[in-house]
Amino acid sequence: KQEVTQIPAALSVPEGENLVLNCSFTDSAIYNLQWFRQDPGKGLTSLLLIQSSQREQTSGRLNASLDKSSGRSTLYIAASQPGDSATYLCAVDSGGGADGLTFGKGTHLIIQP
Amino acid sequence: EPEVTQTPSHQVTQMGQEVILRCVPISNHLYFYWYRQILGQKVEFLVSFYNNEISEKSEIFDDQFSVERPDGSNFTLKIRSTKLEDSAMYFCASSEALGGLSGANVLTFGAGSRLTVL
Repeated sequence: KQEVTQIPAALSVPEGENLVLNCSFTDSAIYNLQWFRQDPGKGLTSLLLIQSSQREQTSGRLNASLDKSSGRSTLYIAASQPGDSATYLCAVDSGGGADGLTFGKGTHLIIQP
Repeated sequence: EPEVTQTPSHQVTQMGQEVILRCVPISNHLYFYWYRQILGQKVEFLVSFYNNEISEKSEIFDDQFSVERPDGSNFTLKIRSTKLEDSAMYFCASSEALGGLSGANVLTFGAGSRLTVL
């Protein structure tokens, strides 16, 4: 059974810092991995999706990498801003989509102004 | 930008009552999902739905739960005889395609319906 772990559980950094969020998964046979952002009381916003054949994806100040063989992904946020404060969730697709994504518990990020 | 719309945003119900949570997926999406998140816990998959039938369901999705697409736009989750432990945020999501090796499964999530069972 796929398990997804995210470290750290919480992170508080001053504005402007670059930071890395970590995600690990137990079964490397995945189809893709997604990073989501969750704001308090809100839904989930997809940030980046990396297919199993890819090693990284970039969107603006965000860069996500995937090392499928070691079961790891990182989300790199450059030049952090207070608006980046949210919970970041990692989710893997192990079954082709129909049987759902397996989520980590998330990293709660606070960017101090 | 297209959105997944969920109603109600918050529902309070008494234990043993039936609740129906409603979702309007993105119009050209073909795959629909329900997930739930108990406070402080992980987001968990409940069920996926395609072509008017359930594709997959998790062990959480027992006989207490049912889904339906009653018309061309709505997708509903019915919870019969609610229990205290059903209190959670329920998220609806939709996607244009499935993932797998041939393409991307970018799910668009709704804002969620918070269910409180007293």
